[in-house]
Amino acid sequence: EAGVVQSPRYKIIEKKQPVAFWCNPISGHNTLYWYLQNLGQGPELLIRYENEEAVDDSQLPKDRFSAERLKGVDSTLKIQPAELGDSAVYLCASSLGVSGELFFGEGSRLTVL
Amino acid sequence: AQSVTQLGSHVSVSEGALVLLRCNYSSSVPPYLFWYVQYPNQGLQLLLKYTSAATLVKGINGFEAEFKKSETSFHLTKPSAHMSDAAEYFCAVSEGAQKLVFGQGTRLTINP
Repeated sequence: EAGVVQSPRYKIIEKKQPVAFWCNPISGHNTLYWYLQNLGQGPELLIRYENEEAVDDSQLPKDRFSAERLKGVDSTLKIQPAELGDSAVYLCASSLGVSGELFFGEGSRLTVL
Repeated sequence: AQSVTQLGSHVSVSEGALVLLRCNYSSSVPPYLFWYVQYPNQGLQLLLKYTSAATLVKGINGFEAEFKKSETSFHLTKPSAHMSDAAEYFCAVSEGAQKLVFGQGTRLTINP
């Protein structure tokens, strides 16, 4: 069974440029998460989807970040415009039901110059 | 609100020695507790989880953790370290389904 797939794995951009990350969760997983992981820190939740509905986006900086999960399957996280402080790893995860077990992708590492 | 504190951002042990990674949590209700491992340039992988059943939880790769309510702790142990255990380990707590709060992580180094 395929795991959570994220792309791109690495992205280098200049500040003020836009960037987008894509995530395809495990087939059948209705819950999808985007986490931000700064260097040397634990992941922090940005947004959680139940199917296509964003049920927790309280930590998403809405002035520059946006996310969507059309049709309740794959998802896109966008930053526009990017700032130097956005350099981090963006992790996508998915889960099935209320088991609490999250399955993570390998992450997208963003470097903003 | 729930929170997690991992004591020691770096832990170094010799191969074959006991591994002990410390985690204390704060939660207003009986928590779910997890340990995840992250190898370099990879995503997080679940090692084990506590969900109010047995207080001693066994996970993959020979790791186990014990839930101690009186100490609000969920320390991770392994009797004998292996070189392949070198990674970053994250403790996490959840008060409800699907909302995990992670600790800052502990980097485990294994010395030959």
